[in-house]
Amino acid sequence: QKEVEQNSGPLSVPEGAIASLNCTYSDRGSQSFFWYRQYSGKSPELIMSIYSNGDKEDGRFTAQLNKASQYVSLLIRDSQPSDSATYLCAVRGGSWGKLQFGAGTQVVVTP
Amino acid sequence: DAGVIQSPRHEVTEMGQEVTLRCKPISGHNSLFWYRQTMMRGLELLIYFNNNVPIDDSGMPEDRFSAKMPNASFSTLKIQPSEPRDSAVYFCASSGVAAGGETQYFGPGTRLLVL
Repeated sequence: QKEVEQNSGPLSVPEGAIASLNCTYSDRGSQSFFWYRQYSGKSPELIMSIYSNGDKEDGRFTAQLNKASQYVSLLIRDSQPSDSATYLCAVRGGSWGKLQFGAGTQVVVTP
Repeated sequence: DAGVIQSPRHEVTEMGQEVTLRCKPISGHNSLFWYRQTMMRGLELLIYFNNNVPIDDSGMPEDRFSAKMPNASFSTLKIQPSEPRDSAVYFCASSGVAAGGETQYFGPGTRLLVL
């Protein structure tokens, strides 16, 4: 079992709709959770971090964390073609900052 | 801020040759990470430095790989001898208290092709 799992996609989303991405993790002791966006041929870029159960909103992005169920999700509201990218879920379980990355979910926003 | 700087951006080499990848972290960051990304294996952590000291090199695939951080502003990842299966994008990332501690900032990556 992979430590961090994501659906690989592609997730096709009409422009203006909500994209919903899910991530599950195996280490119950994980404390920090991140969503990175990676455009094709580019490096990962942090878009959201979340540390406590519940929702965290930043602009059109909302991260949701449920530690009891060991999942974290990302919602992208009013999806735009510029949101087309691969979204990587990352989880930090240890005390020194090592991140475990999921394989990523490719999102394609269609006009 | 210039961000994390990596060089070269692209490297094509032949099997058996030595490859050296370079990274300059963001000034003031005290943690540096080397990652490798492939389609098959995704993004993998190779080695992590904190205050120039290697903390975890459990991700280094084998003895052909070595990494150094002689000072706070420079790190190298060396592959000797290189093999075709080493072909990947290698990212360097840095983080530090100045960045809130948790956020890792990635460099543009080095695309390595071993023929």
